[in-house]
Amino acid sequence: QKEVEQNSGPLSVPEGAIASLNCTYSDRGSQSFFWYRQYSGKSPELIMFIYSNGDKEDGRFTAQLNKASQYVSLLIRDSQPSDSATYLCAAGINDYKLSFGAGTTVTVRA
Amino acid sequence: DVKVTQSSRYLVKRTGEKVFLECVQDMDHENMFWYRQDPGLGLRLIYFSYDVKMKEKGDIPEGYSVSREKKERFSLILESASTNQTSMYLCASSFIIGTGEPGANVLTFGAGSRLTVL
Repeated sequence: QKEVEQNSGPLSVPEGAIASLNCTYSDRGSQSFFWYRQYSGKSPELIMFIYSNGDKEDGRFTAQLNKASQYVSLLIRDSQPSDSATYLCAAGINDYKLSFGAGTTVTVRA
Repeated sequence: DVKVTQSSRYLVKRTGEKVFLECVQDMDHENMFWYRQDPGLGLRLIYFSYDVKMKEKGDIPEGYSVSREKKERFSLILESASTNQTSMYLCASSFIIGTGEPGANVLTFGAGSRLTVL
């Protein structure tokens, strides 16, 4: 079993809609959770991180964490074509190690 | 603008060759990492370093070694390249978020080095 699991997609949403990405993790010791965005041919860049149960909002992005269910999600509101990318979920095991999921590819249709 | 710079964007090597991948960061970060990224497998940690001359194995260290002689530079070495090491290699550096929260590790990635071993 992989430590971090994501649906590979592709997830196709119309412009202006909400894109919902899901991620589960297996290590209950995971303490911090990250969402990275990776455009085709580019390196990953951090969107946001979350530590505590509940929601965390940053602009059009909302991360949700449920440690009891070992579940992290990312919502992208008012999706734009520029949001088309692969989104990587990562769980922080300790101060150094992050385990990444394989990523979910999102396509926003204009 | 903070930067993690990888010396080679594309490399083509032959089986058995020794390969050096160089990474330099200008952010004075303590931690540096080497990942490889393969389709369907995501990012997998090869090695990391939390201080000069210190190194720790990640999830897939076999066939690789690293060197960190200076804080800003972290090198990945393939002693004898094999075809199954054909991949995208990503270097990253990080600082610890000092928010009092449990361990956090925000990575800044380099542009990547795409290695093909023939």
